[in-house]
Amino acid sequence: AQSVSQHNHHVILSEAASLELGCNYSYGGTVNLFWYVQYPGQHLQLLLKYFSGDPLVKGIKGFEAEFIKSKFSFNLRKPSVQWSDTAEYFCAVSPSNSNSGYALNFGKGTSLLVTP
Amino acid sequence: DVKVTQSSRYLVKRTGEKVFLECVQDMDHENMFWYRQDPGLGLRLIYFSYDVKMKEKGDIPEGYSVSREKKERFSLILESASTNQTSMYLCASSPGFSRRFFGSGTQLSVL
Repeated sequence: AQSVSQHNHHVILSEAASLELGCNYSYGGTVNLFWYVQYPGQHLQLLLKYFSGDPLVKGIKGFEAEFIKSKFSFNLRKPSVQWSDTAEYFCAVSPSNSNSGYALNFGKGTSLLVTP
Repeated sequence: DVKVTQSSRYLVKRTGEKVFLECVQDMDHENMFWYRQDPGLGLRLIYFSYDVKMKEKGDIPEGYSVSREKKERFSLILESASTNQTSMYLCASSPGFSRRFFGSGTQLSVL
């Protein structure tokens, strides 16, 4: 069965620090990859996604992620975080050949706190 | 913009009560989903539906049922609420296999 691992459960950074959140998945076939963000008191929203093509994906608010197929990884990065980036971040993976839209597996989430 | 609306933001129920959580989407999406979100466990899929009157069990369906009588509405039912069902419940919809659009969530407390 496929699984998604997010290595850091809680991350605390100062403003302007660089961010990298790890995400690894276990699945043998081709995959679609997502990062979702949940700001305090708000609904989950899509940060960025990778389906195919350039493995370096740029998302909203200065976030980017790199798909490294050989490492089964899709790490999220931001060069300089802001206090407003405080949120919970979820990595999610689905098989590209899924025919039901059901098989989207979420990681357990990483809680990011950015201090002034 | 896609809108997924969950009828209640906060709900407090007693053990043994029957609980209905309602979700409506306005974008004619085929797929709708119910997840629960618990600290340290991420999102876990309870049930999903890919068409009217069609439903499939997710990873943790025990203690829950669902109803989809109309394409835009997907209801989650707790037949007899228990304290271990205290959680944040998230509804989502999607057009085909792509990204999910999430509602704001319902924080359910079962006392």
